Amino acid sequence: DTGVSQDPRHKITKRGQNVTFRCDPISEHNRLYWYRQTLGQGPEFLTYFQNEAQLEKSRLLSDRFSAERPKGSFSTLEIQRTEQGDSAMYLCASSLVGERRTDEQFFGPGTRLTVL
Amino acid sequence: QKEVEQDPGPLSVPEGAIVSLNCTYSNSAFQYFMWYRQYSRKGPELLMYTYSSGNKEDGRFTAQVDKSSKYISLFIRDSQPSDSATYLCAMSAYSSASKIIFGSGTRLSIRP
Repeated sequence: DTGVSQDPRHKITKRGQNVTFRCDPISEHNRLYWYRQTLGQGPEFLTYFQNEAQLEKSRLLSDRFSAERPKGSFSTLEIQRTEQGDSAMYLCASSLVGERRTDEQFFGPGTRLTVL
Repeated sequence: QKEVEQDPGPLSVPEGAIVSLNCTYSNSAFQYFMWYRQYSRKGPELLMYTYSSGNKEDGRFTAQVDKSSKYISLFIRDSQPSDSATYLCAMSAYSSASKIIFGSGTRLSIRP
């Protein structure tokens, strides 16, 4: 068990460019979450999946954001036409629901996005 | 108004002191209450998890939930310099495995 991993750890992009982040959850975890954290604030929920199904998406998430988990394992978060306000830490977490459930979301180290 | 309010600090106390961290919330549907610790440049890690009202103790940490007042607390006894971090309260209406609403975090520093 190597924990939740995220790639890249840092991304600098210019306004208007598209960016994509990847999250690999803990093996066998069936739920995967995306949060965004800005400086001095707590993480803000974006969306979460159970296996391939996207169960909930924040109303704050604009149409420029899209997340996928095509095979129920890793997930990608894409931001199109980035804006300076998108600069933040993007955190991924995973958990296991069901018979051997965890009562915890395990967080990755995050991807820090800077939009110039 | 935010659903979860937390004093951002910073809070600085001497080693060995008892630390009290608090949050208030407005959504009466919240039933699951958590405290996460976040070190600089790291993701949050779960410290304590409580369902509904009551107290829960784990080593030097005690979590309290008062649903009637919509108020939760985390107490740290015999604080250590290694406890220096940002502490985030967090809540959920359905379970700890669904959408979590976080407070803004309190930055804590323990002076040796």
